[in-house]
Amino acid sequence: DVKVTQSSRYLVKRTGEKVFLECVQDMDHENMFWYRQDPGLGLRLIYFSYDVKMKEKGDIPEGYSVSREKKERFSLILESASTNQTSMYLCASSRGRLAIWAYNEQFFGPGTRLTVL
Amino acid sequence: SQKIEQNSEALNIQEGKTATLTCNYTNYSPAYLQWYRQDPGRGPVFLLLIRENEKEKRKERLKVTFDTTLKQSLFHITASQPADSATYLCASPLSGGYNKLIFGAGTRLAVHP
Repeated sequence: DVKVTQSSRYLVKRTGEKVFLECVQDMDHENMFWYRQDPGLGLRLIYFSYDVKMKEKGDIPEGYSVSREKKERFSLILESASTNQTSMYLCASSRGRLAIWAYNEQFFGPGTRLTVL
Repeated sequence: SQKIEQNSEALNIQEGKTATLTCNYTNYSPAYLQWYRQDPGRGPVFLLLIRENEKEKRKERLKVTFDTTLKQSLFHITASQPADSATYLCASPLSGGYNKLIFGAGTRLAVHP
């Protein structure tokens, strides 16, 4: 059974803390994504990666950074957490970065609900 | 700007009826649309994909249509069951670039016994 796992389901941090969210996929997928989901706003793309050590900014990258040192692992880093980063964070992966793979679905992890106090 | 929109109001229907959810897009022409199901506290799960040259796609009790003139996709669940209650998201690729998707905010469906 294919899987995307995230390091924590729930996380509570204080303002100013550095926060690491880890995501691991076991499907040998090239693409990995980090989204945040807020009520009424839907899924918004923070960063994505189409290969090891490669990263591209999504729609809302400010205040976040990412790391992809291995194909199966994609980390999201909040350099200095703020209360407006309280949200549900979802990691996803999909197969292939070439256009011929453009139709493939994304597989999502269970999400991490982050609260910043 | 490119936008994809779903009805934000929850849809309440009676068990056994057909649920119809709408997804509208503006300022671009997606090569395909995807539909996902999301249960509370969980990540979305892929259900169906329909390409721009396909009018209709079916999978068991699910049917998706794609109208490029109306810039709209409809998602139907026939003979709905309480277990179908969830939030349904539509998504499409943006013009150009890698495999990025833009997601609608989702429509919550509640099927009542």
